[in-house]
Amino acid sequence: GENVEQHPSTLSVQEGDSAVIKCTYSDSASNYFPWYKQELGKRPQLIIDIRSNVGEKKDQRIAVTLNKTAKHFSLHITETQPEDSAVYFCAASGGNYQLIWGAGTKLIIKP
Amino acid sequence: GAVVSQHPSWVICKSGTSVKIECRSLDFQATTMFWYRQFPKQSLMLMATSNEGSKATYEQGVEKDKFLINHASLTLSTLTVTSAHPEDSSFYICSGRGGRNEQFFGPGTRLTVL
Repeated sequence: GENVEQHPSTLSVQEGDSAVIKCTYSDSASNYFPWYKQELGKRPQLIIDIRSNVGEKKDQRIAVTLNKTAKHFSLHITETQPEDSAVYFCAASGGNYQLIWGAGTKLIIKP
Repeated sequence: GAVVSQHPSWVICKSGTSVKIECRSLDFQATTMFWYRQFPKQSLMLMATSNEGSKATYEQGVEKDKFLINHASLTLSTLTVTSAHPEDSSFYICSGRGGRNEQFFGPGTRLTVL
């Protein structure tokens, strides 16, 4: 079955700098790759997603890149702000619509 | 995005009792709903996939007789934790599948079993 690995587990960056979180997946049939932000005690919130027919997608300060050949996808957050502090999860999904989740990255924005 | 509600938001119960959690899609029809469990500082763990009108599909290691799932309509799925024990204490989250792969999450239910 699908397996998703996420790195790093914790990322601390200075406010205003960029943050990059990386994920790899194992199942070449996966075709949907969302990123979720979860604040403590709250539901995961979809922040951006990408499908396998696209290599890059951007939404203001957030971008996601996908390398299907290498089975890598990454989340890029530019000009980080204190409110970006949260746990971020990547996931991969295929034909059965199940999301296979990464372990999560705790992003800390230092003032 | 689509809205999913979940009730209750938190519950405390005695060991041995059963707890029912409701998950509703408010503004869309969810043919598929998913139930997850999340322990502190861990990722979401898929427990089961629930399709309207059919039996739920449970992930390996999840006891179907302990975690009863009913998906009687396109907008409602329920999870009943039977004979709950302290190790069942966790954050339970449901999601409804939208048109394609997108999943819309409920706010979660924090279960504490004494």
